[in-house]
Amino acid sequence: DQQVKQNSPSLSVQEGRISILNCDYTNSMFDYFLWYKKYPAEGPTFLISISSIKDKNEDGRFTVFLNKSAKHLSLHIVPSQPGDSAVYFCAASGSVSGGGADGLTFGKGTHLIIQP
Amino acid sequence: EAGVAQSPRYKIIEKRQSVAFWCNPISGHATLYWYQQILGQGPKLLIQFQNNGVVDDSQLPKDRFSAERLKGVDSTLKIQPAKLEDSAVYLCASSLGNSALGEQFFGPGTRLTVL
Repeated sequence: DQQVKQNSPSLSVQEGRISILNCDYTNSMFDYFLWYKKYPAEGPTFLISISSIKDKNEDGRFTVFLNKSAKHLSLHIVPSQPGDSAVYFCAASGSVSGGGADGLTFGKGTHLIIQP
Repeated sequence: EAGVAQSPRYKIIEKRQSVAFWCNPISGHATLYWYQQILGQGPKLLIQFQNNGVVDDSQLPKDRFSAERLKGVDSTLKIQPAKLEDSAVYLCASSLGNSALGEQFFGPGTRLTVL
């Protein structure tokens, strides 16, 4: 039972264009949604997050949009650069089991490839 | 600021053997997590510590996996005995526990291969 789903295993975008990565979730108890970037042989690196009480958060070239009614979020990268090529994970956090537990629930990831 | 440290980076063992992984979190981070990432999947939480107490171990296979954080700083994760399906990258993460962003900081991981 996947609570966080990333349905696109890979995405190819031309350098300078917009990259849009999508994520769906099923559990309405999640408090935060986060995006992580991962290069091979390294741990995931935090990119940007959004609280469930907001619908947009922006940080430089990265913007995350949250649609709670659709249980959907997306990450926009504008403009896309060659260094953005990596695997992007959507993750959700919240005290879904109570007691301060806030471990992340991850999707399977989307491999973003930026074409020169 | 030093990041999350993990060792070893790679480990190869035979099935039914034992293995242990070590993690040193970012200084001052009270919360520590262990995740298992199987190839082609996202990381899956195994256990969460707050200082030296367990907050969540609901997804830890307790018949073979154990973890401790005795002094509330570094932590070890042990598998005994290992099975083929335990082949994965084991990631340690830490957080302040009160960040408005909710972010966790990950180490480079330990890649375990069980033959």
